[in-house]
Amino acid sequence: ETGVTQTPRHLVMGMTNKKSLKCEQHLGHNAMYWYKQSAKKPLELMFVYSLEERVENNSVPSRFSPECPNSSHLFLHLHTLQPEDSALYLCASSHNVRDTQYFGPGTRLTVL
Amino acid sequence: GENVEQHPSTLSVQEGDSAVIKCTYSDSASNYFPWYKQELGKRPQLIIDIRSNVGEKKDQRIAVTLNKTAKHFSLHITETQPEDSAVYFCAATISGGGADGLTFGKGTHLIIQP
Repeated sequence: ETGVTQTPRHLVMGMTNKKSLKCEQHLGHNAMYWYKQSAKKPLELMFVYSLEERVENNSVPSRFSPECPNSSHLFLHLHTLQPEDSALYLCASSHNVRDTQYFGPGTRLTVL
Repeated sequence: GENVEQHPSTLSVQEGDSAVIKCTYSDSASNYFPWYKQELGKRPQLIIDIRSNVGEKKDQRIAVTLNKTAKHFSLHITETQPEDSAVYFCAATISGGGADGLTFGKGTHLIIQP
């Protein structure tokens, strides 16, 4: 349960705010992911990092900016978000890309 | 790229009965098929997976079957219990290659009626 952690667990922000989501994995994995989960799209892949290199960007708006400083940490920087960006943001990691993924508990984001 | 279809979107069964969730995939090269369970307010967790070199795998009340020819795989839960109520996601990928991770289905909300 504690292999992948995310902070904060809940975040409320205005449309003009800048905030960051943090993910940390203690599993020795090489790949990390950001997903957006909402009622309309249950598990929407946003970004994939393998060995700290971004390998996938699924046409995500530029108001979401990922950062992977090392293989254990992944950030999602948020700025000028829209109310429709309110969702659960899940981080996951896997040994290598396309291996079994292990999810963090998520950050529940509300944009006012 | 891979496309995964999952049915049904909602499934309601009586406690003690069996539940079956079905997924189809488009890329015949896919060879790894995990299933995740997500309880309300919790993270998705792997419950069982299957690789393309086998046709069936069981773990207590849970089993997964794979038909490579038809490109579909199914999750079977027998003797359902209230704690089985959750959203279940199937996924497919080509393990060991490529750069786009797992492709998930849209999920099935399983409701166990007492």
